Amino acid sequence: GAVVSQHPSRVICKSGTSVKIECRSLDFQATTMFWYRQFPKKSLMLMATSNEGSKATYEQGVEKDKFLINHASLTLSTLTVTSAHPEDSSFYICSAIPGGSSYNEQFFGPGTRLTVL
Amino acid sequence: SQKIEQNSEALNIQEGKTATLTCNYTNYSPAYLQWYRQDPGRGPVFLLLIRENEKEKRKERLKVTFDTTLKQSLFHITASQPADSATYLCALGNRQTGANNLFFGTGTRLTVIP
Repeated sequence: GAVVSQHPSRVICKSGTSVKIECRSLDFQATTMFWYRQFPKKSLMLMATSNEGSKATYEQGVEKDKFLINHASLTLSTLTVTSAHPEDSSFYICSAIPGGSSYNEQFFGPGTRLTVL
Repeated sequence: SQKIEQNSEALNIQEGKTATLTCNYTNYSPAYLQWYRQDPGRGPVFLLLIRENEKEKRKERLKVTFDTTLKQSLFHITASQPADSATYLCALGNRQTGANNLFFGTGTRLTVIP
């Protein structure tokens, strides 16, 4: 149980285009999902917290107009990288907390490798 | 400034030995601390959670300790196996910024040599 999927697993796009990444909780409902990015050999950096039915909360230094987050249902959150540039190339990972869990164990997706040319 | 540091970027040990990984933090007030395993190109996988009022937690060959005075957690893998080779991340749920949010350490890449 507690499986989180991401789609696509890899994406290559041209500079200036927008890319949407989906994060789904497959066998549980998640009122809260998180988006992270990870650079090679670096740790995960929390970008934003996504709550179903409300606006996402962004961490300091993360541009909300650049990284659009929509948590439209209890099983789906999307991250859209708008007007992508090469410096946005990274490994993006989402996680989800099952509704009602008491101590916030997070279940992570497999990640999406974004390469902007 | 806030920091979460893991003792070394890489650790090599012989199969069968106990691996000990360290996580130190400053300027956080964690309600709990978690350890995750991450394999290359994959998302982290949850291993153990320890609350601020707990000293030690065990799960099979894994043991975690948490010392809020020293601001340190130790993660032990006993009878290590080559399959344990991976990067191990500690993560804090920071009471001050909302305990749901996890802040990750830099990770330790463990290699178990047969």
